[in-house]
Amino acid sequence: QVQLVQSGAEVKKPGASVKVSCKASGYTFTDYDINWARQATGQGLEWMGWMNPNSGNTGYAQKFRGRVTMTRDASIRTAYMELSSLTSEDTAIYYCARALRRSGSYLAYWGQGTVVTVSS
Amino acid sequence: QSALTQPASVSGSPGQSITISCTGTSSDIGAHNYVSWYQQHPGKAPKLIIYDVSDRSSGVSNRFSGSKSGNTASLTISGLQAEDEADYYCSSYITGSLGVFGGGTKLTVL
Repeated sequence: QVQLVQSGAEVKKPGASVKVSCKASGYTFTDYDINWARQATGQGLEWMGWMNPNSGNTGYAQKFRGRVTMTRDASIRTAYMELSSLTSEDTAIYYCARALRRSGSYLAYWGQGTVVTVSS
Repeated sequence: QSALTQPASVSGSPGQSITISCTGTSSDIGAHNYVSWYQQHPGKAPKLIIYDVSDRSSGVSNRFSGSKSGNTASLTISGLQAEDEADYYCSSYITGSLGVFGGGTKLTVL
């Protein structure tokens, strides 16, 4: 079965960067885009962007351009999301999600989420 | 890109039907049929329940249905059950394989 397992909780200081990993299993990793979304406590979902694990091509939401980088290591079936210049407003649960189809905006399989706390 | 507009909360009694609206613009919902809905229970990751406006994900009850008219999409849940109590988010494709979510609607089953 499709499974996405994310790295553990992180605590970062303002101005630092965080890198979250997402290890995939149960399907051919390079066949489906991986998307990233986040959710602040008690708030709604926010789309961050996507990455094609085959080509490495990416697409980032305007809000995060210049601050987010999505990469992958196909040899270990793992996607990464790095967010820089952190502020307290970046405190949230970060999710990776696999597309329903090879690409597109339907997020069919989700990781368990990674809590990122930004605090001085 | 602004978030899609959903009511903050809706409620209904067991057995009743409810509808959650999701309003966008001619640049997102009104431009195509790439609209989806997610269900999220407290402390859990979201679950895709509807895609392509009205197609149900595998294993999703046929009590859930989706529709669209113009710039507004809707999710209807019929025969409400206690387990349906959750947050619901709509989503629309915008451009370049990116999407945008609605603000979310909290469904309370009375």
